[in-house]
Amino acid sequence: DAGITQSPRHKVTETGTPVTLRCHQTENHRYMYWYRQDPGHGLRLIHYSYGVKDTDKGEVSDGYSVSRSKTEDFLLTLESATSSQTSVYFCAISESPGLALQETQYFGPGTRLLVL
Amino acid sequence: AQSVTQLDSQVPVFEEAPVELRCNYSSSVSVYLFWYVQYPNQGLQLLLKYLSGSTLVKGINGFEAEFNKSQTSFHLRKPSVHISDTAEYFCAVSDRRSGGYQKVTFGIGTKLQVIP
Repeated sequence: DAGITQSPRHKVTETGTPVTLRCHQTENHRYMYWYRQDPGHGLRLIHYSYGVKDTDKGEVSDGYSVSRSKTEDFLLTLESATSSQTSVYFCAISESPGLALQETQYFGPGTRLLVL
Repeated sequence: AQSVTQLDSQVPVFEEAPVELRCNYSSSVSVYLFWYVQYPNQGLQLLLKYLSGSTLVKGINGFEAEFNKSQTSFHLRKPSVHISDTAEYFCAVSDRRSGGYQKVTFGIGTKLQVIP
């Protein structure tokens, strides 16, 4: 299994509070991703990173920010949590895209977030 | 823009029976195709992928998939399922381009329920 951990694994918070989720990898992969998984929507990309301090938005980035100060850590912050952000959040990693390794992503175990 | 359609949200099947999980995609360019599996309370893991070459791709746990360009399909099959195959299966597509990040679009998932 790829060395990916997420913390916390479960969190309950209140509307309006900031929340930070952490993804840590031991694979030294360049690319890291944050997804949310919701019934009927599959996985949707929130943000991704293609290197230290290099990040970009995904399809559902509103209300989220990310930071990557080290290769191994990718943080997702909900600036002011809302009930619509109740979800399961997955971190994923991949090596630099190349034709032979194109886009195989390895996923962490997930974080279940409940916003009351 | 690329998209993925998983035609069945749930598929019940008896143990030792064959199963086919359907996936259709659309894209204006050539694509890479993937199937991921998610066991309960876990992250996604790669089952198999089609990058190029033979259209019949074999993956882990006895699964295989066939890329059909004319039908824009990538259906997943297993000739005899086990109880342990009970999980959710996600089809995913990525545009075939060189360099940089290529967006991966996931389907909404198909829940396979194996009945003893």
